[in-house]
Amino acid sequence: KNQVEQSPQSLIILEGKNCTLQCNYTVSPFSNLRWYKQDTGRGPVSLTIMTFSENTKSNGRYTATLDADTKQSSLHITASQLSDSASYICEGGGGNKLTFGTGTQLKVEL
Amino acid sequence: EAGVAQSPRYKIIEKRQSVAFWCNPISGHATLYWYQQILGQGPKLLIQFQNNGVVDDSQLPKDRFSAERLKGVDSTLKIQPAKLEDSAVYLCASSPGTQNTGELFFGEGSRLTVL
Repeated sequence: KNQVEQSPQSLIILEGKNCTLQCNYTVSPFSNLRWYKQDTGRGPVSLTIMTFSENTKSNGRYTATLDADTKQSSLHITASQLSDSASYICEGGGGNKLTFGTGTQLKVEL
Repeated sequence: EAGVAQSPRYKIIEKRQSVAFWCNPISGHATLYWYQQILGQGPKLLIQFQNNGVVDDSQLPKDRFSAERLKGVDSTLKIQPAKLEDSAVYLCASSPGTQNTGELFFGEGSRLTVL
């Protein structure tokens, strides 16, 4: 059974600090991994897409890494802003299947 | 470029009533998905269309849920009769590709509350 597990479940950081969110996946077949940002009451928005052969992908202050050998991915947020407060969801895809994690709820405070 | 449109944004019904949600994907997108997202959880696929054909509906509770994609464009998701556990956000997403390798574009969702 395909699974995507994210940690931590929730995180509070001060504005300007960096943070890293983790994603462990068991998806077969596996072809790509996506990270999404979901603001409260809104639909998820894609941040990064990586194929199994890519190790890192950046989108502004967001940098995702992928280790296909250990089946782990991380999302690093640099110089956090209040607007980064949201749920961050990891998704592993392959074949016709997309498997979503439950997300990490990030709160950025002053 | 217009995004994925969904309506209604909010719906409150009593159990055993019926409800329908509508989705208009981004123009030209071949693949359309309906997801159910319960509070605090990740999206769970209900049904995936490729053009107007069903690719995956293995997790769709077919005794009460139905969906169709007319002419490979708009889609509707219906629940009849609704149960309390159907309270969730129903997300529609579309993708230009057909192999789940491209970017998914989500709508804002339709929040259903069943009383």
